[in-house]
Amino acid sequence: QKEVEQNSGPLSVPEGAIASLNCTYSDRGSQSFFWYRQYSGKSPELIMSIYSNGDKEDGRFTAQLNKASQYVSLLIRDSQPSDSATYLCAVRPHDYKLSFGAGTTVTVRA
Amino acid sequence: SAVISQKPSRDICQRGTSLTIQCQVDSQVTMMFWYRQQPGQSLTLIATANQGSEATYESGFVIDKFPISRPNLTFSTLTVSNMSPEDSSIYLCSVDGQAFFGQGTRLTVV
Repeated sequence: QKEVEQNSGPLSVPEGAIASLNCTYSDRGSQSFFWYRQYSGKSPELIMSIYSNGDKEDGRFTAQLNKASQYVSLLIRDSQPSDSATYLCAVRPHDYKLSFGAGTTVTVRA
Repeated sequence: SAVISQKPSRDICQRGTSLTIQCQVDSQVTMMFWYRQQPGQSLTLIATANQGSEATYESGFVIDKFPISRPNLTFSTLTVSNMSPEDSSIYLCSVDGQAFFGQGTRLTVV
């Protein structure tokens, strides 16, 4: 079983819609969870971090964490063409290393 | 938060040669991490660099291929040795306590 799994893409959404990205992880002791956005050929950009169960909102992004279910999600509201990118879920278990999911490619259709 | 700078930002190298990538942080950190992202893939941790000791390599990565130096608490280098086209990747460094990366080094081996 992979440490971090993301829903397979690609995900295509119309402009203005909500894009929903899911991620599950295997290490129940994980404490920190991150979402990155990566444009082609660029370095991953941290867009959200979450550490406690529940929702965390930042602008059009909402991260949701459920440690009991070992599940973290990212919602992108009012999707824009500039949101078209690959989104990476990362989990930090008890040590300092980050484990990444394979990524989900999102395309926002104008 | 620390600012992470990498050099070079990109390079095109001949197979069989070596390239050294530098990672500079603007504050002292205990651990520095080197990641690789092959085309179309997610990030994979290569090794953890600790000041004053040998780097700790992840499964599948060896010191002869990826020698790492960590001369002080703000600087590390990763060398990609005897390069082949399969080494074409983005190489990224991060530091303990931080979930973000520098701009990365995009390496193409021809």
